[in-house]
Amino acid sequence: DAKTTQPPSMDCAEGRAANLPCNHSTISGNEYVYWYRQIHSQGPQYIIHGLKNNETNEMASLIITEDRKSSTLILPHATLRDTAVYYCIVRVEDSGNTPLVFGKGTRLSVIA
Amino acid sequence: NAGVTQTPKFQVLKTGQSMTLQCAQDMNHEYMSWYRQDPGMGLRLIHYSVGAGITDQGEVPNGYNVSRSTTEDFPLRLLSAAPSQTSVYFCASRAPWNTIYFGEGSWLTVV
Repeated sequence: DAKTTQPPSMDCAEGRAANLPCNHSTISGNEYVYWYRQIHSQGPQYIIHGLKNNETNEMASLIITEDRKSSTLILPHATLRDTAVYYCIVRVEDSGNTPLVFGKGTRLSVIA
Repeated sequence: NAGVTQTPKFQVLKTGQSMTLQCAQDMNHEYMSWYRQDPGMGLRLIHYSVGAGITDQGEVPNGYNVSRSTTEDFPLRLLSAAPSQTSVYFCASRAPWNTIYFGEGSWLTVV
């Protein structure tokens, strides 16, 4: 799996959009970008994933640059409950044999 | 965390004791894995399994054993507990082409 680089921490005001960046300059053509988050003392939670097109679901939007070397997770209206560590992971979408490896992620603090 | 159940949630062990962390899933997932998370750190993969009878090592396998006799269960055994194994342990399962589901975690303290 390609290596990812994320800032260690970010702050965001409640109600504003939170934009979390991730660099993955060595990504391969068949590797997807996944985002998970971990709220304090809980197991990680899947948020969204994409290959090259922008994706949106009920939780967030994922913007992937045209060269696919970086991406941004957007939480459109951050709430206090979005305070968590966010993990960006790059991996092939295969039959599940590839273990999911987590880095240190970005600690997002949403401030009232 | 629906479908992945871990027990116990909290455990205190003395150095040298052995124990088993249980993990069960009812989603018929082939892939299961164990992670540990130390305070302020990210998750590290201990062992994983791609199906019944098949297991493999992750990043930090030393001091742990696993087995996968059924699709549903993936227990993690600590052979001789050490203070360095004090951590939070997460079990996870994944179906092919789908997302990963994590359990609620097991807090282990070795004194």
